Amino acid sequence: SAVISQKPSRDICQRGTSLTIQCQVDSQVTMMFWYRQQPGQSLTLIATANQGSEATYESGFVIDKFPISRPNLTFSTLTVSNMSPEDSSIYLCSVATGGNYEQYFGPGTRLTVT
Amino acid sequence: GQSLEQPSEVTAVEGAIVQINCTYQTSGFYGLSWYQQHDGGAPTFLSYNALDGLEETGRFSSFLSRSDSYGYLLLQELQMKDSASYFCALRDGQNFVFGPGTRLSVLP
Repeated sequence: SAVISQKPSRDICQRGTSLTIQCQVDSQVTMMFWYRQQPGQSLTLIATANQGSEATYESGFVIDKFPISRPNLTFSTLTVSNMSPEDSSIYLCSVATGGNYEQYFGPGTRLTVT
Repeated sequence: GQSLEQPSEVTAVEGAIVQINCTYQTSGFYGLSWYQQHDGGAPTFLSYNALDGLEETGRFSSFLSRSDSYGYLLLQELQMKDSASYFCALRDGQNFVFGPGTRLSVLP
């Protein structure tokens, strides 16, 4: 298993600004993921962040809007850039362990854009 | 692409057994996982099936039939704390695709 922390836990931001979300893991992991989840909805994968390489983005998500850093095997950041109210959501980071089929999630960052 | 289907809601009474089904379509299959998420909480891993058959973990069991592209999560001896959303998720290579989720309500 893995213990994951995220900062901030929540934030209220103004339209047009950017927010960087931090994800810290208590052990070294290769695979880290960033998801978005609207309340009451499923999880949508934004990108996969592997250390030492560029993040891989899913369809509908681009690097200019959601730049990701993965400087080492225990840490990653996701930036939500030039925010609009449509970006209001819960953002979750996760890691894959146990043969890469078990995912462990951070507590999430609840973002509200006004 | 990949897609998964689950019932949107299931209701059962305390002490009962409930089955949450998941059907999927995918071009490459590596395994089917199940996650539980309480309101306001993060998803937590419950079980994983890569091969056909039943995996049992305490009160929870998960079943997979790859030929039918079908799996289910079985919850026994339901407790009030089992009220939550349950997601099946496909592992497709290095990525994971989540189903729409099933909201389970356990009644006293």
